[in-house]
Amino acid sequence: GQQLNQSPQSMFIQEGEDVSMNCTSSSIFNTWLWYKQDPGEGPVLLIALYKAGELTSNGRLTAQFGITRKDSFLNISASIPSDVGIYFCAGQRGAQKLVFGQGTRLTINP
Amino acid sequence: DVKVTQSSRYLVKRTGEKVFLECVQDMDHENMFWYRQDPGLGLRLIYFSYDVKMKEKGDIPEGYSVSREKKERFSLILESASTNQTSMYLCASIAGGLWTPMNTEAFFGQGTRLTVV
Repeated sequence: GQQLNQSPQSMFIQEGEDVSMNCTSSSIFNTWLWYKQDPGEGPVLLIALYKAGELTSNGRLTAQFGITRKDSFLNISASIPSDVGIYFCAGQRGAQKLVFGQGTRLTINP
Repeated sequence: DVKVTQSSRYLVKRTGEKVFLECVQDMDHENMFWYRQDPGLGLRLIYFSYDVKMKEKGDIPEGYSVSREKKERFSLILESASTNQTSMYLCASIAGGLWTPMNTEAFFGQGTRLTVV
């Protein structure tokens, strides 16, 4: 089955640093979504992007829907300890199918 | 708030056992999904259902079946558990219907970590 290429697979950063991760695909999507999964929990939606070129912020998080509709990035500014977790991108064409990236595991050194 | 509840957080089963994983959502969503999550592989779709008694295979359906007798409940069945089915299993639901941002957001349960020994 199709999957998105998400990178990096893991990041080890110092508290206060900025974080950047991205997803690419060979296929076009109508919606790009970014989820965060805390240890032992299910993923929770952080940001949803619905139009090519759209740039959306949610607090310290900023995400963009690539103009080609085949990629997206997520930035986290001034990281804090509670940002630790696994971040997943997901592409969506309709309500019935979400395609996920492999995840980026973020570890923060205090 | 939408609530998706999976019946167990942790399960340990023996090889060859029949295993049932249950998922219930409380928002009358049309679409429900079962994923498995493995390190480095992300979330892979096992099966999904877009209506009561309707189901479609996802990317990795082998060794699994599903049941959706009521709209709020979607069950994943491992007919004969094997050690390579040890994984984290995640259930999700999406409202569906006419396209709106709210109708396309996926809500996840807390996950069931299954170990087959």
